[in-house]
Amino acid sequence: SQQGEEDPQALSIQEGENATMNCSYKTSINNLQWYRQNSGRGLVHLILIRSNEREKHSGRLRVTLDTSKKSSSLLITASRAADTASYFCATEGQGGSEKLVFGKGTKLTVNP
Amino acid sequence: NAGVTQTPKFQVLKTGQSMTLQCAQDMNHEYMSWYRQDPGMGLRLIHYSVGAGITDQGEVPNGYNVSRSTTEDFPLRLLSAAPSQTSVYFCASSYSSVGASEQYFGPGTRLTVT
Repeated sequence: SQQGEEDPQALSIQEGENATMNCSYKTSINNLQWYRQNSGRGLVHLILIRSNEREKHSGRLRVTLDTSKKSSSLLITASRAADTASYFCATEGQGGSEKLVFGKGTKLTVNP
Repeated sequence: NAGVTQTPKFQVLKTGQSMTLQCAQDMNHEYMSWYRQDPGMGLRLIHYSVGAGITDQGEVPNGYNVSRSTTEDFPLRLLSAAPSQTSVYFCASSYSSVGASEQYFGPGTRLTVT
């Protein structure tokens, strides 16, 4: 069962531009996480935002959470070619926090 | 720390064969999970464990078995491989509840079943 859905499915931008990816989810959550996956590699954790937080920053990353709309966004500022990757949001599945449910991801391409 | 390690990196099986995908972590994490990733499908949870001796099913458990005899190791067994099990398999671990803590992922095992 898919809890989070990322939008857009694919995004292509030029180096230096900002990239925004969105995630919508269906049920109430305690936390939402964002991960990055470089081609052929495992996932790497970026940020965890709790349901009582509205915004969180980490370097060039900014994550917002709107629990009333059941949505989150990931903003990457001043993008670099090295940011080229797939980005996934993940939330706790229904029935307990031991099951993390991932969306299908946004494939970001940053052109030099 | 080696983090989360997975072996093998690549494997080709014939339909009906069995095998075990190995996963180990050296971070003393209680929580471990197995996911499969198929094109356009994101990651789907196969089985997970909240500690040694405790395992439970995820979203797509059929055709797979797990056991957790130690904190460090969480092997995934394919009982009788089928072409539908062709996928990339990732093992992950975390210090506490998966929803509330960072997941550390292994590099993956790419499995092809012919």
